[in-house]
Amino acid sequence: QKEVEQNSGPLSVPEGAIASLNCTYSDRGSQSFFWYRQYSGKSPELIMSIYSNGDKEDGRFTAQLNKASQYVSLLIRDSQPSDSATYLCAVNTGSNYKLTFGKGTLLTVNP
Amino acid sequence: EAGVAQSPRYKIIEKRQSVAFWCNPISGHATLYWYQQILGQGPKLLIQFQNNGVVDDSQLPKDRFSAERLKGVDSTLKIQPAKLEDSAVYLCASSLALGSSYEQYFGPGTRLTVT
Repeated sequence: QKEVEQNSGPLSVPEGAIASLNCTYSDRGSQSFFWYRQYSGKSPELIMSIYSNGDKEDGRFTAQLNKASQYVSLLIRDSQPSDSATYLCAVNTGSNYKLTFGKGTLLTVNP
Repeated sequence: EAGVAQSPRYKIIEKRQSVAFWCNPISGHATLYWYQQILGQGPKLLIQFQNNGVVDDSQLPKDRFSAERLKGVDSTLKIQPAKLEDSAVYLCASSLALGSSYEQYFGPGTRLTVT
């Protein structure tokens, strides 16, 4: 059973702080990794994808991947109340390239 | 570019009844996915189509769930008969093609309540 684990949270940070979200995965053969944001009552929205070791930056978001440690993280700089949502880590696994999702981490940014 | 369309958005049925959900993917997307998301959980893949062929249905409860994508574009997911534990959001997603670098985009989902 290929698994994706996330801290369930909730994670609470003050406005303007850095929020750090973590994810580990069990399948060493995984090649691609995604972060989705899901507001309450809405569907998941893709915010970052990362395929190789290291950092990938997009605006206030940075995804970090370490395949040796089977670890992927998402940093949100200058957190805003509008960033309050559940963040889902998804890992592409298996020969059919299906996505396995973690349970998500609920982030609350306090004004 | 229009996103993934789904209908209905909400559905309430009694247990043992049947229900069907419809999905139209992003234009030109060959791969279509149906997920089930139970409250507090991440989405779980039910079935994956490449054009009109099934790629993976290993987690689809085939005794009660069925899905088709006859013309390789839109798709229907059916539950018959429904159980209380089927209460969830059913999400449709699509990607341009099948492969590790192809990103999946989700529709708004259908919230199913089984009473």
